[in-house]
Amino acid sequence: GESVGLHLPTLSVQEGDNSIINCAYSNSASDYFIWYKQESGKGPQFIIDIRSNMDKRQGQRVTVLLNKTVKHLSLQIAATQPGDSAVYFCAELYNFNKFYFGSGTKLNVKP
Amino acid sequence: KAGVTQTPRYLIKTRGQQVTLSCSPISGHRSVSWYQQTPGQGLQFLFEYFSETQRNKGNFPGRFSGRQFSNSRSEMNVSTLELGDSALYLCASSYRTGDHEQYFGPGTRLTVT
Repeated sequence: GESVGLHLPTLSVQEGDNSIINCAYSNSASDYFIWYKQESGKGPQFIIDIRSNMDKRQGQRVTVLLNKTVKHLSLQIAATQPGDSAVYFCAELYNFNKFYFGSGTKLNVKP
Repeated sequence: KAGVTQTPRYLIKTRGQQVTLSCSPISGHRSVSWYQQTPGQGLQFLFEYFSETQRNKGNFPGRFSGRQFSNSRSEMNVSTLELGDSALYLCASSYRTGDHEQYFGPGTRLTVT
């Protein structure tokens, strides 16, 4: 099967700093890569996605970078806020068919 | 537009029992996927339904089954429950199969004792 993994299980940042959450994937043929945010007691929430033919995509305070050479995906959150505290998952959509999720990184924002 | 709803939100069952979970997708969405989330395994894909047909299936035993109705609502059933089935069961809906934008419900927390 395919595997999507995260480098760090927990990331602590100071409020106002930028956060970078990393993800490694194994299938170079995946079509889309997606980041989700999951707050305690809630289901995952779609944040941003990037198609496999792109290198960078920006949203509101978030940027996703895709490095296909090393099969690496990152999520950058600018000016991290306490409300950003959550678990973040990367996922890959393979063959427009199945999603494979990483194990998640817990982001802890310190006031 | 209302989000994905799942019922019940919490459930406690004993080993050997069976359970049925329900998911109502976002209006207009015809694809429903089910996932199991545990601390040890993370999010694992169970199956996906589109137009009342199972389109994809993950690597779970036959005790896990599902179905979808003509109004796109979906149910999943787990028979002969085991302790290891304790998990958060999430459903996600999207317009069509393979859509990269899927929206999750809050989940059903199943505890098997």
